[in-house]
Amino acid sequence: DIQMTQSPSSLSASVGDRVTITCRASQSISIYLNWYQQKPGKAPNLLIYAASSLQSGVPSRFSGSGSGTDFTLTISSLQPEDFATYYCQQSYSTPHTFGQGTKLEIK
Amino acid sequence: EVQLVESGGGLVQPGGSLRLSCAASGFTVSSNYMTWVRQAPGKGLEWVSVIYTGGSTYYADSVKGRFTISRDNSKHTLYLQMNSLRAEDTAVYYCARSSIAARLGIDYWGQGTLVIVSS
Repeated sequence: DIQMTQSPSSLSASVGDRVTITCRASQSISIYLNWYQQKPGKAPNLLIYAASSLQSGVPSRFSGSGSGTDFTLTISSLQPEDFATYYCQQSYSTPHTFGQGTKLEIK
Repeated sequence: EVQLVESGGGLVQPGGSLRLSCAASGFTVSSNYMTWVRQAPGKGLEWVSVIYTGGSTYYADSVKGRFTISRDNSKHTLYLQMNSLRAEDTAVYYCARSSIAARLGIDYWGQGTLVIVSS
């Protein structure tokens, strides 16, 4: 199985900050990497698919990059509604494993 | 409008069985990859199972041999049959659509149904 490792596990930042979260796969997954945002008590929401494609309706301050084993999610200017937990997921091969999550908190 | 509505969760004793249902609307279940994802209380997301358009099914090692994913195309419904349930299966279970256009990124999720395995 492919293991997905996110870093950091938690992050404190302020409104307006630029934030980067990284995700590493245990083997190459090409660009089959997705990013989700989850708020407490809610289902996750797809932000980025295929490593860098912005899902419809998602603000352009979210961006993704990477290929192979190393990926990043960047939020260019944090907004109050962005404080949440973020997960990466590989969809290259089953099981389509998730990273352990990164909790983004207000500083 | 795409909607996924899960049902069937509840309290079950260890070793028991439960069947989750997910009623889909706004798209055709059989033409999409359909996925179950779970989240234990206070924990992260765990991929559970997928059924492909052709009917192939895949499972996480943690549920293989105990859980079965299926669909009823005429009822536009996805199922997860869960047998030999364990305490560690306690979680919110989400039904979801893995979008072929989005390289299997999950673009629609249900609201989740809570399964509690406890005596």
